[in-house]
Parts: sequence; C-alpha cells; structure tokens
Amino acid sequence: DTAVSQTPKYLVTQMGNDKSIKCEQNLGHDTMYWYKQDSKKFLKIMFSYNNKELIINETVPNRFSPKSPDKAHLNLHINSLELGDSAVYFCASSQAGTSGVYNEQFFGPGTRLTVL
Amino acid sequence: GQNIDQPTEMTATEGAIVQINCTYQTSGFNGLFWYQQHAGEAPTFLSYNVLDGLEEKGRFSSFLSRSKGYSYLLLKELQMKDSASYLCAGSSRGTDKLIFGTGTRLQVFP
Repeated sequence: DTAVSQTPKYLVTQMGNDKSIKCEQNLGHDTMYWYKQDSKKFLKIMFSYNNKELIINETVPNRFSPKSPDKAHLNLHINSLELGDSAVYFCASSQAGTSGVYNEQFFGPGTRLTVL
Repeated sequence: GQNIDQPTEMTATEGAIVQINCTYQTSGFNGLFWYQQHAGEAPTFLSYNVLDGLEEKGRFSSFLSRSKGYSYLLLKELQMKDSASYLCAGSSRGTDKLIFGTGTRLQVFP
C-alpha cells in the first residue's frame, strides 16, 4: 500500500535519449510535484500540478515536460538528455494547496537518473 | 528572494542532544518544515511550525521565530538511526512551493 510510487527506481541512459519517469499517488491528494536532487543533495522544486493543472513551473529547460493524465498521476518526460540531468528525481504529493493551510508533502522513493 | 541556510554537517554522540539551526529569507513566508532523509531514501516529514515557539514531538522538537527568520530542530537522546540529513524548508503564502536548504548531514557516533 505504497503512498507515492515512482518507476523506474534506476534509469541509466545515453546522452541525447528521451526518457520518462512515472509517478502515482494513492493518497487522494490534489497536488503533485517533481523535485530534482543533485549530487550535493540540494532538493529543488521543478513543477507542481493541482488537479491536473500546472501551478508551479520553475526555471526548468523546455526539454522537461510534465504530464498529468489525472490527479493521481504526474509523469515527467525528458527530451535530449544531457550529462547535467543526472540526479535523483523525487515525486511528491500533498493535500489541496490552500494558502495558509498546513500541507505536508509525501515523497516517493526517487528515481536515480544517470546520463552517460 | 528565497534563501534557506543551514550547516552542512554536524556530528554528535549517541545519547546526546543536538540542535540543527536554520535561517531563512522567504518572500511571503508562511511556515517552516523539517524533513529527515536517510541516505538513498526519500525525505520524510518531521515537523511544521507556523507560529512562534516550540513544537515537541517525542525526541524531536522544532522551534520557530518569525521575527528573527530562524528555526531549529532539536534531537534528544540521539540514536544511531538518527544519522541522516535534515532538511529545512520554507513555504510561502499563496503557493505550495517549498524552498529547501541544502540539508544538514548529521552523523551519530557510539
């Protein structure tokens, strides 16, 4: 009964390839996120979706495209992979994001992407 | 601007008490989260402070001073399993965005 799940857990690929990471949550949350954690362990928000609608889009290259088919899923597609994309990508979810309301984020297990 | 600062590394002895500090500058600051992350694992929620003061939860407590832009996480009766990174994160009003610090890697020695 995993709350937030991601696949794959590990992804090794060549530069220039296109890859996708899938995320699903069974918590009934309205908001989902993608974070990137680099080699220095710095965790940075990339995107967030609320009920399939894009809410946060940080300064992320256009090669990264999130897709939310429904509020329980948020997938991340990456085109033309570069060496600098190597990192751990975490998906997270939280209850509806209303300003001022406490909204703990639950993280998935992470996907370690290695670009060779 | 958004900025979260915390020490990079700390060490402590089993059974001791350790305080991990965090200072923040977050536009429209709403609240302060602490997460724990063991090596190779996902961050897990520890605490959330929105009002000034101390929130106690078992061996872990978290403190917030909004006027000083300062928070700390206090870990008592340290155990070996507490060796992990502790991430401080600020949230802003009107958005669910969390701004994380670089994390403090705590090593507990016997």
